[in-house]
Amino acid sequence: EVQLVESGGGLVQPGGSLRLSCAASGFTFSSYWMSWVRQAPGKGLEWVANIKEDGSEKYYVDSVKGRFTISRDNAKNSLYLQMDSLRAEDTAVYYCAGTQSWPPRGDYWGQGTLVTVSS
Amino acid sequence: EIVLTQSPATLSLSPGERATLSCRASQSVSNYLAWYQQKPGQAPRLLIYDASNRATGIPARFSGSGSGTDFTLTISSLEPEDFAVYYCQQRSNWYTFGQGTKLEIK
Repeated sequence: EVQLVESGGGLVQPGGSLRLSCAASGFTFSSYWMSWVRQAPGKGLEWVANIKEDGSEKYYVDSVKGRFTISRDNAKNSLYLQMDSLRAEDTAVYYCAGTQSWPPRGDYWGQGTLVTVSS
Repeated sequence: EIVLTQSPATLSLSPGERATLSCRASQSVSNYLAWYQQKPGQAPRLLIYDASNRATGIPARFSGSGSGTDFTLTISSLEPEDFAVYYCQQRSNWYTFGQGTKLEIK
């Protein structure tokens, strides 16, 4: 059974940093494009970033370019999102998602982790 | 940015009825259109990808159609577990989601 479990969310001050993790199991992680998608409280969905199976290609939505970094460790079956210079508008539930399709889509999703940016 | 507009915003129907949800794109997305279902407190679930393909494990009562700028999700006979929020999403030019259609019990 495919399982994606996010962790690392919490309360952080504006300008601060946070690193999210996503632990994958039940599938061949190294064969999947992985992504982060977020949803502000009570709002719609926003696709944040993608990373290729081997980590060689990374793509970001404009609003996080230069502030967020997606990475992966295939030996640990783990996906990461390093978030720097956080803003109030980054407050959201962050989901990791995976697919073998190109362009990547959300075949499998984790349960999400909440990031709150507030002073 | 490609804008996706979903209609109606809210759809009130009874179990057993047919549901028709619409998604219109501001420019062509070819067939790179997906539909997701989201229930409160849960992650989205992929229902339909590439406009008309059912994702793994999705019941046959869910079907998708359309291409270019106009798309439809049809649920042929509503089950109690189908009442949720539905989002369309394009992946032709980066990604955008529609604002959602809430399918509620009448």
